[in-house]
Amino acid sequence: QKEVEQNSGPLSVPEGAIASLNCTYSDRGSQSFFWYRQYSGKSPELIMSIYSNGDKEDGRFTAQLNKASQYVSLLIRDSQPSDSATYLCAVLKAAGNKLTFGGGTRVLVKP
Amino acid sequence: EAGVTQFPSHSVIEKGQTVTLRCDPISGHDNLYWYRRVMGKEIKFLLHFVKESKQDESGMPNNRFLAERTGGTYSTLKVQPAELEDSGVYFCASSQVPNGYTFGSGTRLTVV
Repeated sequence: QKEVEQNSGPLSVPEGAIASLNCTYSDRGSQSFFWYRQYSGKSPELIMSIYSNGDKEDGRFTAQLNKASQYVSLLIRDSQPSDSATYLCAVLKAAGNKLTFGGGTRVLVKP
Repeated sequence: EAGVTQFPSHSVIEKGQTVTLRCDPISGHDNLYWYRRVMGKEIKFLLHFVKESKQDESGMPNNRFLAERTGGTYSTLKVQPAELEDSGVYFCASSQVPNGYTFGSGTRLTVV
């Protein structure tokens, strides 16, 4: 079992719709959770971080964390073609500073 | 503020050769990390420097990989001798505090 699991996609959504991305993790001691966006050939770019159970909203993005279910999700509202990218879920354990990444979900927003 | 800079952006070398990748972190960032993504796999941690000291090198695959951080500034990652399975994209990241990573654009290494 991978430490951080994501559906590889592609997740195809029409422009203006909500894209819903899911991520599960195996280490119950994980403390910090991150969503990165990566365009092809570019560096991962941090878009959201979440540390406690519940929802966190930032513009069109909402991150949701459920530590009991070991589940973190990302919602992208009013999806735009520019949101087409690979979204990486990353987890930071309680000890140490190294991030553990999922394989990423490719999102395609169609005009 | 300049971001994390990596070079070269691409490198193609033959099996058995040596390659050195360089990372210049954001000025003043004490924490520097190396990660790698091989084809079809997730991004994986290689090691973590705090200033010039190796804090965690648990992700280094074997002794063909050597990382250094001279004077706590830029870092190099040398692969010697390179093998086919070393091909992938090598990312560097830096942060001043834990959690605040900024990634570089990566070096795509191809070993033929």
